[in-house]
Amino acid sequence: DAKTTQPPSMDCAEGRAANLPCNHSTISGNEYVYWYRQIHSQGPQYIIHGLKNNETNEMASLIITEDRKSSTLILPHATLRDTAVYYCIVRGGYNKLIFGAGTRLAVHP
Amino acid sequence: DAGVTQSPTHLIKTRGQQVTLRCSPKSGHDTVSWYQQALGQGPQFIFQYYEEEERQRGNFPDRFSGHQFPNYSSELNVNALLLGDSALYLCASSFQLAGDSYEQYFGPGTRLTVT
Repeated sequence: DAKTTQPPSMDCAEGRAANLPCNHSTISGNEYVYWYRQIHSQGPQYIIHGLKNNETNEMASLIITEDRKSSTLILPHATLRDTAVYYCIVRGGYNKLIFGAGTRLAVHP
Repeated sequence: DAGVTQSPTHLIKTRGQQVTLRCSPKSGHDTVSWYQQALGQGPQFIFQYYEEEERQRGNFPDRFSGHQFPNYSSELNVNALLLGDSALYLCASSFQLAGDSYEQYFGPGTRLTVT
């Protein structure tokens, strides 16, 4: 199972874009990158996923480098409610999710 | 449309006892995965059920077992509880799509405390 590396914590001002990096240098060609977030011991919430191309949905954008060894999750206009732990995951076989420690994002006024 | 539901919300058990946690998947989902999340850590994969069979298992002892019913709901059983089993137990459901891309939706979890 490919592992991911994320900074343990980040800060962002409300209304600004939050850019959360993730390294996954051992990712295989057919493995997807998934992002989830978890707000204060609630169940993790799905955000977005991608394989090769950049992806965008109503919550965020996902930028994957051409060599697929890293990616960035972008929250375009962070709000206080985006304060959470963000997990970057390379999805294993049969949809097994291997969570790391994640990035604790603090959005401040 | 109800999402993933879990019961009970909280549970307190004594060391050595047995516990059963329950999960109902999101409507239309046929696959259920269970995760254990200790305080301050990311969730750890326990196992996954599909078509009423355990399809994949993480690094957990045989004390952890499960079951999936014909309606796709699932149970997680833990025998001979240890203090270290205290954690938030998360259930996630998903659906097999064409290709190899599908999202897991998580329930709110069951907080188990072993004393």
